[in-house]
Amino acid sequence: AQSVAQPEDQVNVAEGNPLTVKCTYSVSGNPYLFWYVQYPNRGLQFLLKYITGDNLVKGSYGFEAEFNKSQTSFHLKKPSALVSDSALYFCAVRDVYSSASKIIFGSGTRLSIRP
Amino acid sequence: KAGVTQTPRYLIKTRGQQVTLSCSPISGHRSVSWYQQTPGQGLQFLFEYFSETQRNKGNFPGRFSGRQFSNSRSEMNVSTLELGDSALYLCASSFTDLSSYNEQFFGPGTRLTVL
Repeated sequence: AQSVAQPEDQVNVAEGNPLTVKCTYSVSGNPYLFWYVQYPNRGLQFLLKYITGDNLVKGSYGFEAEFNKSQTSFHLKKPSALVSDSALYFCAVRDVYSSASKIIFGSGTRLSIRP
Repeated sequence: KAGVTQTPRYLIKTRGQQVTLSCSPISGHRSVSWYQQTPGQGLQFLFEYFSETQRNKGNFPGRFSGRQFSNSRSEMNVSTLELGDSALYLCASSFTDLSSYNEQFFGPGTRLTVL
């Protein structure tokens, strides 16, 4: 069975500092991995995805994520945080070889950037 | 290109009533998925429709049902509402079904309150 974990409910970072939002996953085969962001009273917006190839994936708004197969992780990063990055972030995974077409979302991490 | 639209945006119902939510996907998208988002349970997959066929279903009771029309618009119905059904219901569309690596595009959600 596939699963995804976001171990931190909340991450607090000062503006201008680097940020990391953690995500670990479990699938029986190879994963497709996604990051989404949700602003207040809005739906989720796609940030980036890992399919195959380079372990470092670049996405929207200056975010990037590093796929680490040995640690089964897909942490979201940004070199310099902005106050406007404050939002709820979701990691999602699906098993490439699974016959069940379903995507599993993590519980979400609330990112708070202080000025 | 217009985004995913959901109607209504807000809904207040009483226990025992039924409700129908509507979702119009991005033009050309054939997959529509529904999710329930609550503070306690996070984002939970309800079901996915692709070309008018239900492809997958989450672990929800039979009170939750859906359908998809030939123009890819989808409706979700909840019968015999319970207090615990209060949630943000999100619709997401994708060009292909969830077995692919394509990202989903989310609507703003319908906030359902059951009194």
